Amino acid sequence: SQQGEEDPQALSIQEGENATMNCSYKTSINNLQWYRQNSGRGLVHLILIRSNEREKHSGRLRVTLDTSKKSSSLLITASRAADTASYFCAPGGNQGGKLIFGQGTELSVKP
Amino acid sequence: DTEVTQTPKHLVMGMTNKKSLKCEQHMGHRAMYWYKQKAKKPPELMFVYSYEKLSINESVPSRFSPECPNSSLLNLHLHALQPEDSALYLCASSQGTSGMWYEQFFGPGTRLTVL
Repeated sequence: SQQGEEDPQALSIQEGENATMNCSYKTSINNLQWYRQNSGRGLVHLILIRSNEREKHSGRLRVTLDTSKKSSSLLITASRAADTASYFCAPGGNQGGKLIFGQGTELSVKP
Repeated sequence: DTEVTQTPKHLVMGMTNKKSLKCEQHMGHRAMYWYKQKAKKPPELMFVYSYEKLSINESVPSRFSPECPNSSLLNLHLHALQPEDSALYLCASSQGTSGMWYEQFFGPGTRLTVL
């Protein structure tokens, strides 16, 4: 299966600092997506990076993808308390819409 | 409208009850999904509908019965549930499922408690 594994499992930082979380996977992919989930709520899609892309930006988010190492990273710059959430990666193949989420990184941003 | 709505927000039911969860989207998406999420765990896929046809069933027990009446609506019928079925049930939709992947838009979920 194409489940991602996030690292670290939990991350606590101060407001204004950068947060980096990593995702590793085992099989070849077409793309990789990152989602955020605030406590007890639905997931929000953050960014999708395709297998032929190495880096992608969206606002304060920067995602990299290294297909040779089967890994991706999500960088949140100048973090805010509102960024406190769980972050999930979902490596994507051609499985008919099936997303398998990793265990996630729980980010806590302290004011 | 880029929103997926789910009703009810909370549901408490006994093991002998029959209830239904509802999901609606008006983005013209042709794929819809049900996920189950336990506390401190990632969402787990249950069902995928593509063009109103069930395309993936992740070996979900028959006490969960999905239904897609039309391209905008997705229901999950519940019957004879067990306490361990208590969880957050998430609905999602996407433009499609085949070929390239599409981002999925999630609803806020229904918090289900089975007594």
